[in-house]
Amino acid sequence: DSGVTQTPKHLITATGQRVTLRCSPRSGDLSVYWYQQSLDQGLQFLIQYYNGEERAKGNILERFSAQQFPDLHSELNLSSLELGDSALYFCASSAISRGGWRAGELFFGEGSRLTVL
Amino acid sequence: QKEVEQDPGPLSVPEGAIVSLNCTYSNSAFQYFMWYRQYSRKGPELLMYTYSSGNKEDGRFTAQVDKSSKYISLFIRDSQPSDSATYLCAMSANSGAGSYQLTFGKGTKLSVIP
Repeated sequence: DSGVTQTPKHLITATGQRVTLRCSPRSGDLSVYWYQQSLDQGLQFLIQYYNGEERAKGNILERFSAQQFPDLHSELNLSSLELGDSALYFCASSAISRGGWRAGELFFGEGSRLTVL
Repeated sequence: QKEVEQDPGPLSVPEGAIVSLNCTYSNSAFQYFMWYRQYSRKGPELLMYTYSSGNKEDGRFTAQVDKSSKYISLFIRDSQPSDSATYLCAMSANSGAGSYQLTFGKGTKLSVIP
């Protein structure tokens, strides 16, 4: 158990709809990352938050948005869903934001599987 | 050209075999190199971590980084059925402001047959 909790585990919805994925990081971790995993693209970095502020942005579509709340949990909002948005969405957290020898150690949740029909 | 290239496999080996997994990359700024293991229906978990070039050994696992060739490898000795998983290489550069976002390979699916 990584200590990162994601809900829901599975979600089936229709095109054009909006969904919210939720993530609770490991206790004490200030950084939250969102990744999308699909068969053809692999694991793609979407966005990072550190202590409530956006820190880095990757290949996140404009239809997607995220935020991190004062209690450090994070939500990823996906709107105007398309068939191609079907994927596994992972949240990860880390304790180290300013580098150090374990800068790459992310702790991943078990993911939210989104199916858009 | 993708920043990180990894043969997706699948790779099937008999129990006890030595497994070699590889990734190549194009970004010279990468300085942190990792291997993550992902079991079916689970999130990735960090397996090996290397900074810059060189080798690192941990039990049956050895990670190698050759920055001059932009090539990293993971070797698994005496492979076990419990090693059956998808192995993802990951890399990061210090992108400033405390951000170490990872770039992942697509992953190699490994099956170790008893």
